[in-house]
Order: sequence, then C-alpha cells, then structure tokens
Amino acid sequence: VQLVESGGGSVQPGRSLRLSCAASGFIFDDYAMHWVRQAPGKGLEWVSSITWNSGTIAYADSVKGRFTVSRDNAKNALYLQMNSLRAEDTAFYFCAKESTGISWYFDLWGRGTRVTVSS
Amino acid sequence: EIVMTQSPATLSVSPGERATLSCRASQSVGSKLAWYQQKPGQAPRLLIYDTSTRATGVPARFSGSGSGTEFTLTIDSLQSEDFALYYCQHYNTWPPRAFGQGTNLEI
Repeated sequence: VQLVESGGGSVQPGRSLRLSCAASGFIFDDYAMHWVRQAPGKGLEWVSSITWNSGTIAYADSVKGRFTVSRDNAKNALYLQMNSLRAEDTAFYFCAKESTGISWYFDLWGRGTRVTVSS
Repeated sequence: EIVMTQSPATLSVSPGERATLSCRASQSVGSKLAWYQQKPGQAPRLLIYDTSTRATGVPARFSGSGSGTEFTLTIDSLQSEDFALYYCQHYNTWPPRAFGQGTNLEI
C-alpha cells in the first residue's frame, strides 16, 4: 500500500509543472485524495482535494485559479497541474489518501516531491 | 473557517518522561481530530484519529483525548524515535483543510 509522487523540479516563476501521484495496494477509486504541501521550515498546508469520482473538487485560496487537481481511476493516478507558479509555491508536495466513510483524516501519505520556484 | 492552534511550538522533554501536546480549535469539531507525526525528511504519518483511536502499528504509549475545542496528545515514556514534529488536523468539514502549525518535540 503506497503513494509515490513525481514530477517535481526547479522552475522559473510563471512557468508550469504537473505533479503525479501513483497509488498502489488499495482500490484507488474508493477514496477521495488530497494534495498537501510544506514550504521549507514550515508546517503542513492543505492544497487541494478531489472526491473518488471527481465530482467535488476544492482548492486553497492561495492556489485557486492556478492549480488544477485531477485523477485517472483507470491508471490509479492523481495529478496536480500547477500553472503560473510563484516563489511562494516552493515546497514539498505530498499526496494523501483519505480514510473511508465519514472520517476524513489522511491515513496514507506519499514521500513527497520537491518543487522549487526561483529565477 | 476553523483555525487549529497547537501549543507549545517547541517542547523539550527528556527520554523516558511524558510529553503533553495541545491542540485547540476555534470552534467545536466534535471528536473529528487527528494527530500526525513527521520526522525530518519524511512524510507525515497518521498517529491518532477520532481524537483517541491509535492508527495501526502505533505504540500504546501514544494516547489522545479531548473533545469539542480542546485536544491533547500524550506520549508516555518517550523513546528516542518519538522526537519529531506533531500536527493536529480537524476533519469536521470537507475538505479537511485545517492543520495546526505543529509542535516540535525535542530532546
């Protein structure tokens, strides 16, 4: 049972990156999924959430209009398209699996992928 | 929007002693509260959910309590591997966006 993020890297402000999260060991399309980021030396910041069927999607105000979350249940994959990147988007980005039922805590996390936005 | 506040920011405790970490919600979240542990360079790990239920594989020295707006994570007989960052999160509403700012448990 694991989540593995990829797609991070160093980019200039204003450019784009697409993060991926590969899920394995569980029935991916049974669960909502989330992106959480952590800037250097800072705490955890929720970024985005998507329900199992992509029917409901939510974004933090800090990324709304610039980031787009999506999933491909056939490929057991979660994505985060990040456009118009800013220096303040520099962080480790984690994908996280939501627990089942009405308890919406995150019971599985990936190891993260680093995004650096700098000129 | 519910704001989660953790205290203290840093807690210095000796191995073998007890650590008590606090988390306060700006309004009631019932029992919908989780705790995560994060070690340097690692992803967060779920420790406690529903205020007091230990996640699979979490040692019994970790316990959670509280309800409404006041919550506590207690770690008895601290081991060297317990020194880490700890975050609380409420999930009373979806999406579960609110984390506390963290408590750094140091030796």
